[in-house]
Amino acid sequence: ETGVTQTPRHLVMGMTNKKSLKCEQHLGHNAMYWYKQSAKKPLELMFVYNFKEQTENNSVPSRFSPECPNSSHLFLHLHTLQPEDSALYLCASSQVIAGVGETQYFGPGTRLLVL
Amino acid sequence: QKEVEQNSGPLSVPEGAIASLNCTYSDRGSQSFFWYRQYSGKSPELIMSIYSNGDKEDGRFTAQLNKASQYVSLLIRDSQPSDSATYLCAVPGSARQLTFGSGTQLTVLP
Repeated sequence: ETGVTQTPRHLVMGMTNKKSLKCEQHLGHNAMYWYKQSAKKPLELMFVYNFKEQTENNSVPSRFSPECPNSSHLFLHLHTLQPEDSALYLCASSQVIAGVGETQYFGPGTRLLVL
Repeated sequence: QKEVEQNSGPLSVPEGAIASLNCTYSDRGSQSFFWYRQYSGKSPELIMSIYSNGDKEDGRFTAQLNKASQYVSLLIRDSQPSDSATYLCAVPGSARQLTFGSGTQLTVLP
């Protein structure tokens, strides 16, 4: 495996289900990100992890719960989602270098449909 | 004012023409700038990064940066139908995280 991988690629779930999205990066990076991309909307940053520590939570509802067990893996746990949460969920990773914005590399995304 | 602004388009150019995509940003302290390409239904992929004022060329792509005017542009020469995609400008925002523009949809007509 190379780059950033995400599973599953597609997910359909009911509003009462619990599911998890998985992301793994094989680039040796120390930061990982979750983004949400809804139709016709810009990328929305959800969570940031630097060295396994969460450094940003952009007012994301608590029905989304991230987990970062190590610098290579990132999870997004989902429960009691709403239909408006249907979107493409993208994981990205980067190498954090102080003082300079870092290139982020994206995984293929998980397309989520909430019924 | 949004941190990163792009013309949403859509922008249509004939095959072989030059496509010009523009992006303005609000944070004068930004040091690095990125252009991503996103095909429909796919994830963004990095195509160019630029850190210094002036032009940076990579094949048919040229990024132009003007920090004084706070804009960064992307030129695509000899546009091909395969260049049809949404192009995202990204700039480190106030929290040092990349902030993405809303994207410009480009269509290259055969």
